[in-house]
Amino acid sequence: AQSVTQLDSHVSVSEGTPVLLRCNYSSSYSPSLFWYVQHPNKGLQLLLKYTSAATLVKGINGFEAEFKKSETSFHLTKPSAHMSDAAEYFCVVTLTGGGNKLTFGTGTQLKVEL
Amino acid sequence: EPEVTQTPSHQVTQMGQEVILRCVPISNHLYFYWYRQILGQKVEFLVSFYNNEISEKSEIFDDQFSVERPDGSNFTLKIRSTKLEDSAMYFCASSGLADANVLTFGAGSRLTVL
Repeated sequence: AQSVTQLDSHVSVSEGTPVLLRCNYSSSYSPSLFWYVQHPNKGLQLLLKYTSAATLVKGINGFEAEFKKSETSFHLTKPSAHMSDAAEYFCVVTLTGGGNKLTFGTGTQLKVEL
Repeated sequence: EPEVTQTPSHQVTQMGQEVILRCVPISNHLYFYWYRQILGQKVEFLVSFYNNEISEKSEIFDDQFSVERPDGSNFTLKIRSTKLEDSAMYFCASSGLADANVLTFGAGSRLTVL
């Protein structure tokens, strides 16, 4: 079985300050991990993915995430928030090579203030 | 950039009515999926479809649900007799052979059952 826990349902930052969205995972086997973003009235857009290559993964729009097996974490970061980053972010896990069924976290709503 | 297109964006129906949600996946993708998100809850896997048959389905996907690929471009989800608890946002997704666990999602179809 696999699951992800997003530790914060809401995060609020000021524009230009760093963003940290936290995610812990649980998986019996080698996981593949993803972050998806959802802007209002838009589909779920892939930000980045980890599939057992480099542990530091760079994604679109300046986001990155680090896979830490010892901490079972896959936190999403960005050095400097922009107003356009305001959206809901989902941490997602699936089994590497084990089919394509995704298990979603509950989501973190990111608010960016001036 | 290729998109997954879903119609309708919003549908209101009476309990007991049949509903068909339509999706046009990315043209060279071979794997197709339906997920749903009940308001305030996680995004949940419903079903995956490959080579004209269901490859995996969740417990949610009971006899009231069916999927079909009626032609070379559409992928549909039918709910035979809707219940109040079927009210949710339904997301269609697709993925290709090269990166099968990287899903591209549509913007969703919001179903409201009265």
